[in-house]
Amino acid sequence: DAGVIQSPRHEVTEMGQEVTLRCKPISGHNSLFWYRQTMMRGLELLIYFNNNVPIDDSGMPEDRFSAKMPNASFSTLKIQPSEPRDSAVYFCASALDRGNEKLFFGSGTQLSVL
Amino acid sequence: GENVEQHPSTLSVQEGDSAVIKCTYSDSASNYFPWYKQELGKRPQLIIDIRSNVGEKKDQRIAVTLNKTAKHFSLHITETQPEDSAVYFCAASDDKIIFGKGTRLHILP
Repeated sequence: DAGVIQSPRHEVTEMGQEVTLRCKPISGHNSLFWYRQTMMRGLELLIYFNNNVPIDDSGMPEDRFSAKMPNASFSTLKIQPSEPRDSAVYFCASALDRGNEKLFFGSGTQLSVL
Repeated sequence: GENVEQHPSTLSVQEGDSAVIKCTYSDSASNYFPWYKQELGKRPQLIIDIRSNVGEKKDQRIAVTLNKTAKHFSLHITETQPEDSAVYFCAASDDKIIFGKGTRLHILP
């Protein structure tokens, strides 16, 4: 398996633009997590899905953020409109089942909002 | 919800010495405590984990201890080597994994 695949690796955009981050989890994994990493706040859990259903989105910062998982092999995290404070590395991770197992992280998306 | 505190934020140790990183958690329902290592520019990777029915676990130079009563857990690295330099994250989970803010470990030559 190629592991968790995220795209794009880098995204530079202007304030106000829509940003869409993509993730393909490892085949057979039932849980998918979106994390945001910054120096100040560390690794923050934004949302997680189990069997394609959002279980907990309490970490989503505000209404500008939304996430979907239309099927077991694809998820998106959307920011609309983007702001400079959204600049961070966004990681997607998958696990066999929920959060009591090893997380496999993607390579992350480095987002810069100018 | 769960809150994980991690100390210290930065740690420098002489090569060959031991390093200890400590974490506390708030939710008594948490039952899974993994540790992740993140090298510069790379993704976090699991190095060791412990479940609540175990007090200690060891894997070569790395060991973790868990005190459920006090809600404390620690990572111990012995005989540190240059390749141990990285950021280490502790985490706690009863369903979703919540991370501490990380410890930047420097191994001095």
